[in-house]
Amino acid sequence: KNEVEQSPQNLTAQEGEFITINCSYSVGISALHWLQQHPGGGIVSLFMLSSGKKKHGRLIATINIQEKHSSLHITASHPRDSAVYICAVSPSRSSYQLTFGKGTKLSVIP
Amino acid sequence: EAGVTQSPTHLIKTRGQQVTLRCSPISGHTSVYWYQQALGLGLQFLLWYDEGEERNRGNFPPRFSGRQFPNYSSELNVNALELEDSALYLCASSLGDFPDTQYFGPGTRLTVL
Repeated sequence: KNEVEQSPQNLTAQEGEFITINCSYSVGISALHWLQQHPGGGIVSLFMLSSGKKKHGRLIATINIQEKHSSLHITASHPRDSAVYICAVSPSRSSYQLTFGKGTKLSVIP
Repeated sequence: EAGVTQSPTHLIKTRGQQVTLRCSPISGHTSVYWYQQALGLGLQFLLWYDEGEERNRGNFPPRFSGRQFPNYSSELNVNALELEDSALYLCASSLGDFPDTQYFGPGTRLTVL
């Protein structure tokens, strides 16, 4: 079983819809990251969370440490949001590297 | 401010050959991470360098190695290439704090024939 599980694997939405991507993890973590990967391969870090909620523009990320669960929400989705969204965790203080989920491929249709 | 840069962009090699990939971190960043993204396998951690030292390595054979230079740039070496080494190799850098946002380069796409 993967340490980081994401759902759904694929998501198709109409422009303007509210989108939620979920991430569950099975290990103790120091932080959780949400990343965005565009078709060309480039990865952008969207959020780093260790508690609560963060918002940036139309993107909102939440984390529940007790339930080991995080969600990424996109409000008023737009075709330019089409990308793969990856959840990653920093497992412990001795391991700075990230452990990744398999990603959620989002397609937003005009 | 320049982002993380990687070279080359694309590379084609044959089985058994050796390859060197290069990464320049964001100015001021001391930590460099290497990740492999093979088709269908997702991102996997390869190596972590900080202040010139290898701090951790992922579950990869010893033919994957690397180093970090005094200017914090890094290279990843892969010896005795195998077909399954075909992947996108991503470098990321961070300030070296923990936890810290990692900034990713554009990647090097390696094809092994």
